[in-house]
Amino acid sequence: AQKVTQAQTEISVVEKEDVTLDCVYETRDTTYYLFWYKQPPSGELVFLIRRNSFDEQNEISGRYSWNFQKSTSSFNFTITASQVVDSAVYFCALSDLTTSGTYKYIFGTGTRLKVLA
Amino acid sequence: NAGVTQTPKFRILKIGQSMTLQCAQDMNHNYMYWYRQDPGMGLKLIYYSVGAGITDKGEVPNGYNVSRSTTEDFPLRLELAAPSQTSVYFCASSFVVSVKGEKLFFGSGTQLSVL
Repeated sequence: AQKVTQAQTEISVVEKEDVTLDCVYETRDTTYYLFWYKQPPSGELVFLIRRNSFDEQNEISGRYSWNFQKSTSSFNFTITASQVVDSAVYFCALSDLTTSGTYKYIFGTGTRLKVLA
Repeated sequence: NAGVTQTPKFRILKIGQSMTLQCAQDMNHNYMYWYRQDPGMGLKLIYYSVGAGITDKGEVPNGYNVSRSTTEDFPLRLELAAPSQTSVYFCASSFVVSVKGEKLFFGSGTQLSVL
């Protein structure tokens, strides 16, 4: 069955430290997409990145980078030089093709990141 | 462009009451979803719809009903509210056109307490 595991419930770092959020997934599909979403204290969910299963290149966007490794079924997220504004809950998600040919999304339980000044 | 609009933002219900959470999107998205978020449990899918007139159950559908009479609207109905339905509810939408995953656009959420 499709599953997304974020084993880190909560992480606290001091500002300017680097931090990596782990995401491990399980899927039977050969074509799938992985996502990261950010939920700041205000509560809304914000899309960060989408990666398809055929593209294992790492991606960097400013202080954010993502490491996708199919061999270990992982899609980890690193924040370099963390800032207080990075404090949020981060969710990893996996697209799930149902038997009826429709799509739904499986979310991990989230990692709460606290960046201390 | 409003995106995904959810109403109300907050609501307190008494056990046994019913209510409808409203969700509307103006992006002409075909897929719409309802999730609930419980502390430490992530997002659980309640129901989803792939187009007007088509709905399907997610992981936790019991106690809820949905309808999708138009592309824009996807209301979630709670019948006989129970304390276990205390949660934050998110509506989301996406535009799925082929065999690929599209990002979800989320509403701002509805915080519901059943007392």
